[in-house]
Amino acid sequence: DAGVTQSPTHLIKTRGQQVTLRCSPKSGHDTVSWYQQALGQGPQFIFQYYEEEERQRGNFPDRFSGHQFPNYSSELNVNALLLGDSALYLCASRQSGSSFEQYFGPGTRLTVT
Amino acid sequence: GENVEQHPSTLSVQEGDSAVIKCTYSDSASNYFPWYKQELGKRPQLIIDIRSNVGEKKDQRIAVTLNKTAKHFSLHITETQPEDSAVYFCAASMGPNDMRFGAGTRLTVKP
Repeated sequence: DAGVTQSPTHLIKTRGQQVTLRCSPKSGHDTVSWYQQALGQGPQFIFQYYEEEERQRGNFPDRFSGHQFPNYSSELNVNALLLGDSALYLCASRQSGSSFEQYFGPGTRLTVT
Repeated sequence: GENVEQHPSTLSVQEGDSAVIKCTYSDSASNYFPWYKQELGKRPQLIIDIRSNVGEKKDQRIAVTLNKTAKHFSLHITETQPEDSAVYFCAASMGPNDMRFGAGTRLTVKP
């Protein structure tokens, strides 16, 4: 039973570019949340997807957008990258209607130069 | 929105001693409080969680206590071992949604 997977592992982009990160949830999970974790900080909630819709959103600008596919996998898109977007991006999944436990993927390390 | 504060930011203990990490939250509507352990370069892993209808929960050497009135909750690790060394994060949310994390506590267990 595969856990949460994310791709790519590492990514280097230039300021102003756009990036797409991908997440496959744990088997049986249908809800995906994205987090940004800056170095030495706790994860910051970006948004949550369920039934292919954004259900909740944290304090992130519209440059951050996402998508969920019918197979529950998800993408995080960031436009007009800033140096401050450099961070570890974590995806977490859970099963709706079940316990509140969510499981994290290994993350994508994004570096913006 | 919810604001979670975590103390201390670093904690060093001798192997076999106990470690306590404390968190406070601001939103009285929060009802789910998980704790995550993150080793260097790895994903956060859920180690224990508690809901607001419970005051204490224990799992072997790890326990969590919750004081809803004071809006604070704590992680207790007894008989610490070197492999307990990691960064620990507390979090709070209303159900599973919009989870807010503390800034983390770096725990070092000295052999």
